[in-house]
Amino acid sequence: DQQVKQNSPSLSVQEGRISILNCDYTNSMFDYFLWYKKYPAEGPTFLISISSIKDKNEDGRFTVFLNKSAKHLSLHIVPSQPGDSAVYFCAASATSYGGATNKLIFGTGTLLAVQP
Amino acid sequence: DAGVTQSPTHLIKTRGQQVTLRCSPKSGHDTVSWYQQALGQGPQFIFQYYEEEERQRGNFPDRFSGHQFPNYSSELNVNALLLGDSALYLCASSFYALGQGGNEQYFGPGTRLTVT
Repeated sequence: DQQVKQNSPSLSVQEGRISILNCDYTNSMFDYFLWYKKYPAEGPTFLISISSIKDKNEDGRFTVFLNKSAKHLSLHIVPSQPGDSAVYFCAASATSYGGATNKLIFGTGTLLAVQP
Repeated sequence: DAGVTQSPTHLIKTRGQQVTLRCSPKSGHDTVSWYQQALGQGPQFIFQYYEEEERQRGNFPDRFSGHQFPNYSSELNVNALLLGDSALYLCASSFYALGQGGNEQYFGPGTRLTVT
């Protein structure tokens, strides 16, 4: 039961162009979404997040879009740089109003290769 | 500002043995979550500790247990190791914020466990 899906195992993009990474989810209780980047031999690094009350969040070159009706989110990287080459994970959580930090459900990741 | 640290970096154990992994959270964080990442998969939630108690648990057997200390650091113990327990074990820390659903978790570099 894969609640968070990243259907593209890999993506190759030219330096300077836009990278678009996609993520779909099935659980309508999810209300917070995050993107992490992971280099080999390192832990995941938090990139950007979005609450379900928004449909867009920007941070520098990174923008996350959320389409709740389609249960779909995407991460846009503009412009792409060779240093962006890594595995990108989408993660989702459902708020527990007790305030607890909630468990993250991860997708299987997309390997982004940015070609110089 | 020290980030999340984990020890050891690598570990090789024999089937049937027991293992203890350690984690120190990011400064200012009080909640520790543990994840297992198998090769080619996204991290899977094992359990979470706050105020020295297990608050949430994923779909892992009782062979997986943990502990949190008064200084917020945490241990993950796995008993009766199986070959399938070979994976990268990730610790993530966060701040328990009452009434908020925000959920950024910051990951350590992980411990690579190999069971032979």
